[in-house]
Amino acid sequence: GEDVEQSLFLSVREGDSSVINCTYTDSSSTYLYWYKQEPGAGLQLLTYIFSNMDMKQDQRLTVLLNKKDKHLSLRIADTQTGDSAIYFCAESIFNYQLIWGAGTKLIIKP
Amino acid sequence: EAGVTQFPSHSVIEKGQTVTLRCDPISGHDNLYWYRRVMGKEIKFLLHFVKESKQDESGMPNNRFLAERTGGTYSTLKVQPAELEDSGVYFCASSQVTGAYEQYFGPGTRLTVT
Repeated sequence: GEDVEQSLFLSVREGDSSVINCTYTDSSSTYLYWYKQEPGAGLQLLTYIFSNMDMKQDQRLTVLLNKKDKHLSLRIADTQTGDSAIYFCAESIFNYQLIWGAGTKLIIKP
Repeated sequence: EAGVTQFPSHSVIEKGQTVTLRCDPISGHDNLYWYRRVMGKEIKFLLHFVKESKQDESGMPNNRFLAERTGGTYSTLKVQPAELEDSGVYFCASSQVTGAYEQYFGPGTRLTVT
């Protein structure tokens, strides 16, 4: 069955890089996603990567995909207080149904 | 352009009562999805509408949950009767085409069943 796992918390100092990790089990996933949820807000799509790609970079965000190990990571460079949020990893099956991780709460220390 | 809206933002009801959640998708979006996150766990897919038709309702937990999308515009999700384990955050998303990368999410409705 499908399962997406990620650690529940990550604490980093402001200005450092944050690396949020995720593992998934369904090798037939087409896309893998990172969503951000700020307090009181909805889910915001940060970035996504097609399953035949290894890396995608978008400004401060870098997504790395290791298909062999079914491992996805999100690196946020120069982490700021505004990056405090819960980050969800998700994979899509059937091209629309999302399978989600439990979310990683990113805590920024001054 | 208005985003996906959900009403209410928070609902507190007693076990056995009925609650109806509403979702208004982005105008022109034929696809509408319901998800829920229970007790801080992973978000789970509930169902997918294309216009007024249920395309996939494989994630609906049981027959206490009824989703409708009359006229292919807004959607309602009714829980009757509510149980304690129904507490959580219910998210709605919409997309113009069928594709997970196109889904835009609403802020969610927090349901608390006491």
